Parts: sequence; C-alpha cells; structure tokens
Amino acid sequence: GDSVTQMEGPVTLSEEAFLTINCTYTATGYPSLFWYVQYPGEGLQLLLKATKADDKGSNKGFEATYRKETTSFHLEKGSVQVSDSAVYFCALSESGGYNKLIFGAGTRLAVHP
Amino acid sequence: NAGVTQTPKFRILKIGQSMTLQCTQDMNHNYMYWYRQDPGMGLKLIYYSVGAGITDKGEVPNGYNVSRSTTEDFPLRLELAAPSQTSVYFCASSYSRTGLNYGYTFGSGTRLTVV
Repeated sequence: GDSVTQMEGPVTLSEEAFLTINCTYTATGYPSLFWYVQYPGEGLQLLLKATKADDKGSNKGFEATYRKETTSFHLEKGSVQVSDSAVYFCALSESGGYNKLIFGAGTRLAVHP
Repeated sequence: NAGVTQTPKFRILKIGQSMTLQCTQDMNHNYMYWYRQDPGMGLKLIYYSVGAGITDKGEVPNGYNVSRSTTEDFPLRLELAAPSQTSVYFCASSYSRTGLNYGYTFGSGTRLTVV
C-alpha cells in the first residue's frame, strides 16, 4: 500500500541554519503531497502542498518540490528561527481517495538561539 | 470562523467505560475524518465521512464507531475503552472540488487516557 517515510528526528539546529527534512513516498497513482506542522499542544496545520510532479510548494520561507523521479518531497528552509521548533509531518493523498491522508511518522525540529 | 472544534480536550476513562468525542466544523466541508496519534508515530485514520449519512472505515477502526447525521457534526464513539485506545485524537475536515485536495483543517485534539 501507499506509505510515507521521513527522516528520523530530532533535528537540532542553531538559529539561521539551513534546514532539510527528507521525505520519500510510495504510491501506486499520482498523489498530492503535503507538509503539515504541529506546534506543542496544538493540532496540525497545513504548511505547504504540491499536486503534481515538479510543482514547488512554499510558505513562510519553507519550500518543497514534488520529485516524481525520486519519489521525494523534501522540506527545506534557508534560515530557521526558534519559532520554527515543532514537529513536521509529510503526507500524501491519492487522487480519487476522498482526500484521505497517509502520514509519515513526523520529524521533531528544535532550533536553539 | 471557528474552524474545527473538538470536545473535550482531555479525558480519563476507566477500562470498559464508553464515551463520545465530539467534532463540529463550520466551513461547510463535505469530508470529515478521525485520526489517532500515538507517541512517535504518524497519524492513523480511524474513520472518515464523505457527506451526511455516509461513513467508512479507515486503517484502525476496531473499537470505534461514528455517525454523520449533519454536514457539521462527526462524533466518534468509543465502546468498552481499552488501554490500547490511550492516544491523542484529531478530527479534521476538508473540501474537495474537481478531485483536488485543498488540504485539511484540524481540530486541536482530544487527549484520552484509559486506565
């Protein structure tokens, strides 16, 4: 079945460092891909999305490009802030699947001043 | 807009008790979902609904039931609570048009402990 694999955390960075969180997926069709962020004690929030190959999703300085050839959707940010500390989830949604999401296990990011 | 509202935020149940987790959305979304989040794990789909009167099982439905009598409400029922149901439960809703997924709106979660 479809699945999402994320790099294990925690990822610990200093403020202004470059961030990459790797995400790869397995899917039989042409899924939409998402990154969600969960701040402590809160629900998940949509960070960015891409619906087809080579699309780039971006929001709040974060970017991810839908790479069909490598089945990847890595999350990047050029300069992280302490306020970016959270858990990041990669997810996919198969077309025609009633928008059901399949999530990766999540990657915890801790940014220190 | 309130978005997706879940109640209660916290609950402790004894083994064998039952309870209903409430979920309401005010965005007129057609799709609604229940997920559970276990420590260090991603979210797992329990049940979902594509409209009033229509529900279906997700990946981990055992021990749960749902109903969807209105577009707004999607309660999750736990019967005979077990320690394995200790988790954080998230309700979500989404809107789909022409087959495109516009992403979810999540509630803030219900932390349930079964002792």
